[in-house]
Amino acid sequence: DVKVTQSSRYLVKRTGEKVFLECVQDMDHENMFWYRQDPGLGLRLIYFSYDVKMKEKGDIPEGYSVSREKKERFSLILESASTNQTSMYLCASRDTGGSDYGYTFGSGTRLTVV
Amino acid sequence: AQKVTQAQTEISVVEKEDVTLDCVYETRDTTYYLFWYKQPPSGELVFLIRRNSFDEQNEISGRYSWNFQKSTSSFNFTITASQVVDSAVYFCALRDITGTASKLTFGTGTRLQVTL
Repeated sequence: DVKVTQSSRYLVKRTGEKVFLECVQDMDHENMFWYRQDPGLGLRLIYFSYDVKMKEKGDIPEGYSVSREKKERFSLILESASTNQTSMYLCASRDTGGSDYGYTFGSGTRLTVV
Repeated sequence: AQKVTQAQTEISVVEKEDVTLDCVYETRDTTYYLFWYKQPPSGELVFLIRRNSFDEQNEISGRYSWNFQKSTSSFNFTITASQVVDSAVYFCALRDITGTASKLTFGTGTRLQVTL
């Protein structure tokens, strides 16, 4: 069974901390995505990566950066966490050669910044 | 710019009722894909259906059915004889096929509560 694994289900961090959210997929997918989910706002795209070391900004990249050194791993980095980054973060990957139900999502990381 | 609107924030029904979740989209692409996802309390998004812009046939899968109408830019989702296990947040999404990767633009979601 194909999987996207997010390293933490719940995370509590302090304001100003550098935070790493990790996502690993075992499907050899080229594309990977980070979304944040907030009540009333749905899922909004933060960053995506179309291949190793390749990345592009999504709709709300401010305050975030990403790293993709290996195909299977896509990290979201909060350089200096702030309370307005308290949210649910969802990682996804997609197989560019397959059908479009090839988007697979992780279970999410609920981040609280205090 | 792509946009997906789910005007219903929350719907409550009693088990065995039919319920329709609305989705209206905006795009300038002539070729596009529409999706529905279910998000149960566990948090993971579960794929339900993909529809491409050239296929306007309605689809039925068990108790689920989808009505795609290009003329009104709508892709509505109906659950027949709802069950408690259908309680979840449902997202409609539109796939952007331009650029270097295909991105999904999501609506704000509809929370469905099915009670006994």
